[in-house]
Amino acid sequence: DAGVIQSPRHEVTEMGQEVTLRCKPISGHNSLFWYRQTMMRGLELLIYFNNNVPIDDSGMPEDRFSAKMPNASFSTLKIQPSEPRDSAVYFCASSDRFSGNSPLHFGNGTRLTVT
Amino acid sequence: AQSVTQLDSQVPVFEEAPVELRCNYSSSVSVYLFWYVQYPNQGLQLLLKYLSGSTLVKGINGFEAEFNKSQTSFHLRKPSVHISDTAEYFCAVSDLRGSYIPTFGRGTSLIVHP
Repeated sequence: DAGVIQSPRHEVTEMGQEVTLRCKPISGHNSLFWYRQTMMRGLELLIYFNNNVPIDDSGMPEDRFSAKMPNASFSTLKIQPSEPRDSAVYFCASSDRFSGNSPLHFGNGTRLTVT
Repeated sequence: AQSVTQLDSQVPVFEEAPVELRCNYSSSVSVYLFWYVQYPNQGLQLLLKYLSGSTLVKGINGFEAEFNKSQTSFHLRKPSVHISDTAEYFCAVSDLRGSYIPTFGRGTSLIVHP
């Protein structure tokens, strides 16, 4: 079990550039979550998928953010254009079923810095 | 909707001392409860979970937590901490019904001093 894999681990970009974060969930898991962590706001849920279908994206800050899950083994979170306030650690997590009693398995995150 | 309050943002403690990290929740329905740990530069890892049954739950690394329904609490305890327990600890709650999405607390930073 390789765990949830995120890439890149660190991303430094200039304001206005497009940023793409990638996630490979644990094989067999059918739920995927994107979180953002900052000192100010803690852990925020951005969007989650069940069986590759977006269920709730109400946590996405604005239209500059978009997420896709083209298949069960890959998801992307895109920010276009990026802004300095997007600087945060972005986590992807997966779960083996869409139920409240199933814990989340987190990746090691992508630390994004927008200058 | 549920909510989680972690009363202490930071808990300093000496090595080999006992520790308790507090978590209170609010929900109109029955809940599942979780504690996660986050080591520096890593993602969150599950420490333990309460789903049903015995209110005392044992997890990894010698941690345990007790579910108290009347006080709506799920405090995390360890009788003797180690330097390696220094990390951020998150309490989370999810409803038995509803969206199933866990709500996380703001986290408690446990700092173990030698």
